[in-house]
Amino acid sequence: GESVGLHLPTLSVQEGDNSIINCAYSNSASDYFIWYKQESGKGPQFIIDIRSNMDKRQGQRVTVLLNKTVKHLSLQIAATQPGDSAVYFCAESQHDYKLSFGAGTTVTVRA
Amino acid sequence: GAVVSQHPSWVICKSGTSVKIECRSLDFQATTMFWYRQFPKQSLMLMATSNEGSKATYEQGVEKDKFLINHASLTLSTLTVTSAHPEDSSFYICSASMTSFYGYTFGSGTRLTVV
Repeated sequence: GESVGLHLPTLSVQEGDNSIINCAYSNSASDYFIWYKQESGKGPQFIIDIRSNMDKRQGQRVTVLLNKTVKHLSLQIAATQPGDSAVYFCAESQHDYKLSFGAGTTVTVRA
Repeated sequence: GAVVSQHPSWVICKSGTSVKIECRSLDFQATTMFWYRQFPKQSLMLMATSNEGSKATYEQGVEKDKFLINHASLTLSTLTVTSAHPEDSSFYICSASMTSFYGYTFGSGTRLTVV
């Protein structure tokens, strides 16, 4: 079946720099996308979401961009902090509410 | 905000025994709950979707007789791993959703180790 995938399994970023995490999805019927942060031994933590009728959404220090033409999703984190070190997953859903997760990108923030 | 409590956070059991994991929505009614399994350094894989009062829908390749899911109320779903084997050792995570919005709240996960 179709699934969400992620580019680049790891990302190392200097503290204070901006981070960009990418995600490719293959299901054109997906209408809802979510970015999650997962710390070791914990459940996924919601970061930001976006619906298919939007192409950009901003939160506190985070921005999600959606390009439906190329089925690409990205998460931008501004002024990355040590506490941002974690695994980041994108997930997609259709009307049946089931979430499919991508492979995950491990973000490491260098002090 | 919406809170989902998952219990226990970790459990060690002997091969051949059964283990029950609980998932509770504390401040909302969860019409749908989802169970995921996550192996080390891998993504979350959906095991099954359960709706209150009805049988769970299992994903392809997930044995329904081994992973028993009960969703008896709008605030509680349980996953029972029956006749556990070492290969069932994994991180199990539940998620709950309301029908009134596109939202998923995740539990903190249960680390199962079968020895």
